[in-house]
Amino acid sequence: NSKVIQTPRYLVKGQGQKAKMRCIPEKGHPVVFWYQQNKNNEFKFLINFQNQEVLQQIDMTEKRFSAECPSNSPCSLEIQSSEAGDSALYLCASSLPGGRYEQYFGPGTRLTVL
Amino acid sequence: GEQVEQRPPHLSVREGDSAIIICTYTDSATAYFSWYKQEAGAGLQLLMSVLSNVDRKEEQGLTVLLNKKDKRLSLNLTAAHPGDSAVYFCAVSARNYAQGLTFGLGTRVSVFP
Repeated sequence: NSKVIQTPRYLVKGQGQKAKMRCIPEKGHPVVFWYQQNKNNEFKFLINFQNQEVLQQIDMTEKRFSAECPSNSPCSLEIQSSEAGDSALYLCASSLPGGRYEQYFGPGTRLTVL
Repeated sequence: GEQVEQRPPHLSVREGDSAIIICTYTDSATAYFSWYKQEAGAGLQLLMSVLSNVDRKEEQGLTVLLNKKDKRLSLNLTAAHPGDSAVYFCAVSARNYAQGLTFGLGTRVSVFP
């Protein structure tokens, strides 16, 4: 069973508000991924880190989304100004680096933007 | 970029019977293949993963087949039981794991007595 911890499980925000969610990866996993799963089960890769460094991120993430994985603190994903279309399940996954591809997911944070 | 099609979208299976879910992908550089299970209100549980040098893998009542020529991946649930009722996703990635996984749209499996 995955040991990725995500908080909070549920988040309700008004349009224009900030929304912040956190993730603690499995112990020993330096690679962290963030995905967005919408109500149609479409997954979108947002950003990933190896240790504190960004490996890759999509354009959407570069604009309203910010993320970090500081040393000795939970990783976080923050939406600066929430929009209705941001309502989704945000999933964090962690993995080993360098060719070990298995990603282990947390339970997700369900964001509802009113 | 990579595109993954998954079918069927829904599957109703009698307890004890088998169920097969199929995914097709487009990128010949795809190197990693995985299957996840998502129960209601939960995250994704990794069921099984294979690399491109594996054609068949069996574990705990699940069989994954990979046909690289046809770019097809399948998951066979043998002897389904009510606990198998969930949404199943295939997810693939290229050798550059930093690109993240590309998912299918899921198959909702319902197991009835």
